[in-house]
Amino acid sequence: GENVEQHPSTLSVQEGDSAVIKCTYSDSASNYFPWYKQELGKGPQLIIDIRSNVGEKKDQRIAVTLNKTAKHFSLHITETQPEDSAVYFCAASKGTYKYIFGTGTRLKVLA
Amino acid sequence: GAGVSQSPSNKVTEKGKDVELRCDPISGHTALYWYRQRLGQGLEFLIYFQGNSAPDKSGLPSDRFSAERTGESVSTLTIQRTQQEDSAVYLCASSLTRNNEQFFGPGTRLTVL
Repeated sequence: GENVEQHPSTLSVQEGDSAVIKCTYSDSASNYFPWYKQELGKGPQLIIDIRSNVGEKKDQRIAVTLNKTAKHFSLHITETQPEDSAVYFCAASKGTYKYIFGTGTRLKVLA
Repeated sequence: GAGVSQSPSNKVTEKGKDVELRCDPISGHTALYWYRQRLGQGLEFLIYFQGNSAPDKSGLPSDRFSAERTGESVSTLTIQRTQQEDSAVYLCASSLTRNNEQFFGPGTRLTVL
């Protein structure tokens, strides 16, 4: 079945530095890739998403890139701030409600 | 406006007991989903409701797990004869329609002793 691998599992960066989280998916029919941020004690919240007809998408300090040939996509956070500290999940979908999630990356931004 | 709410936030039970977990979706959202999140793992899809019917139950791990939804609103996930491996955070999400953004609740942390 579909599988999504996510790396790294933990990531520590200094405040102001950039953070990159990478995911690889197995099903080439996947065409929708959301990223979720989960803060302690809360449910995941969608922060950005990308569809397969686009190679890159930006929203302020957050960007996502997609390489369909290699079947991988990445989340880039620039100028990191302490409030960016959370667990980030990538997911892949074939355009339906059923998302396959990665195992998560715990990001720590050190002040 | 109000988001997705879940209750209880924490549940500790003994092996073999039944538990019920509740989800109140965002008002007007026709689609509702249950996920399981084991420690250090990603979210596993359990079941999807469209209105009050469940066209996709493919993620339910065993026949000890069941769910229902009434009034196109509240949903209850029931786990019978709980086992220690059922310990996890159970997340509920809802979306306006099937393929729209999913909004998650805060989850119920279930611990089976």
